[in-house]
Amino acid sequence: ILNVEQSPQSLHVQEGDSTNFTCSFPSSNFYALHWYRWETAKSPEALFVMTLNGDEKKKGRISATLNTKEGYSYLYIKGSQPEDSATYLCAPIETSGSRLTFGEGTQLTVNP
Amino acid sequence: NAGVTQTPKFQVLKTGQSMTLQCAQDMNHEYMSWYRQDPGMGLRLIHYSVGAGITDQGEVPNGYNVSRSTTEDFPLRLLSAAPSQTSVYFCASSYVAGIWETQYFGPGTRLLVL
Repeated sequence: ILNVEQSPQSLHVQEGDSTNFTCSFPSSNFYALHWYRWETAKSPEALFVMTLNGDEKKKGRISATLNTKEGYSYLYIKGSQPEDSATYLCAPIETSGSRLTFGEGTQLTVNP
Repeated sequence: NAGVTQTPKFQVLKTGQSMTLQCAQDMNHEYMSWYRQDPGMGLRLIHYSVGAGITDQGEVPNGYNVSRSTTEDFPLRLLSAAPSQTSVYFCASSYVAGIWETQYFGPGTRLLVL
């Protein structure tokens, strides 16, 4: 079982603020990393799948970077909106590649 | 496509009862998995399957059985329900050729064991 840490656990920002949070994972045996967005009372939805060191992915105002050598990924949200309020989960995969291990998530609340 | 469907949406059981949570997908995905979500613990993997006839244990398999007789269906069986199994259960699927592919989640089944 991978040791996956996400920080902070929760975050409150004002509408229009930019924010970022971290996913840390063991750098050895890294294979890929997933980011998911999970709104209350809904199912998790995929944001990004990242595999290469230095990868940067972008989807609208949300972007993510990956550092496999030091074992972390950052998720950035530019100009947060209330609809961005959700829990953001990361899930790294080891080279054995048979399953995801989810972090506990960062719960983001964007106040109007 | 209906995507990933789960039934029931909500269930109340008494301790010791058994039941099956149903999961089906119509995307011809090889990889399917079951997670439970508990407060403060995120999503934890119960069992997964990389194709019909193949299943394996995740982090928290005790008290649960699975089978994969078809590509479409991946039912989760609670053999003798316990209050500790009160949780929200999510089924997910993806194209196998690896779980580096996007996981598609079902809507969840909320289970209460009294």
